[in-house]
Amino acid sequence: EIVLTQSPGTLSLSPGERATLSCRASQSVSSSYLAWYQQKPGQAPRLLIYGASSRATGIPDRFSGSGSGTDFTLTISRLEPEDFAVYYCQQYGSSPEYTFGQGTKLEIK
Amino acid sequence: QITLKESGPTLVKPTQTLTLTCTFSGFSLSTSGVGVGWIRQPPGKALEWLALIYWDDDKRYSPSLKSRLTITKDTSKNQVVLTMTNMDPVDTATYYCAHSGIAANWFDPWGQGTLVTVSS
Repeated sequence: EIVLTQSPGTLSLSPGERATLSCRASQSVSSSYLAWYQQKPGQAPRLLIYGASSRATGIPDRFSGSGSGTDFTLTISRLEPEDFAVYYCQQYGSSPEYTFGQGTKLEIK
Repeated sequence: QITLKESGPTLVKPTQTLTLTCTFSGFSLSTSGVGVGWIRQPPGKALEWLALIYWDDDKRYSPSLKSRLTITKDTSKNQVVLTMTNMDPVDTATYYCAHSGIAANWFDPWGQGTLVTVSS
């Protein structure tokens, strides 16, 4: 089973700052199989990034994804007030086919 | 526009069987490559994938819960049903269904979720 470890657990930043969120896999993950989601309180997760670096439909270009192998990064170039939320990475593999990281909470400083 | 909505009981007793229905629109589960998955989230905790069913009736389950889960589809009704046996208080969570598109290995979009509490 591939385990995804996200860091930091909580990130405190101010609007306008740059956010860098990490997702590390216990084994190599194909870049095609790495996704990022945003979840706000009381809401379902929303797909942000798929294939490690492709933005989903309607996602602003301040969100970007990068990485390969075991290290992946979600970057928010300039934080807007609506970006403060919890972010999850997810990988597709084999048995279990899908695993999620434990999440990074992005909070307002 | 793709939409999904979960329905089912909000409260179940320990040892009972949970049956959840995902009713969707905007796509067909008879389209090659398409799937519908179930994911849950205990209060304040992370997401956990449970099961997924593909257009060709291929079914995949989380190994840790496989013995308790059954996923089925009714293409004519645009519904996917998840059953989980022997419910326990630790199964208290919000249960989401989500669309997995053609050749996609991610979920988009998700239903609003339904909170299921396991308590006597």
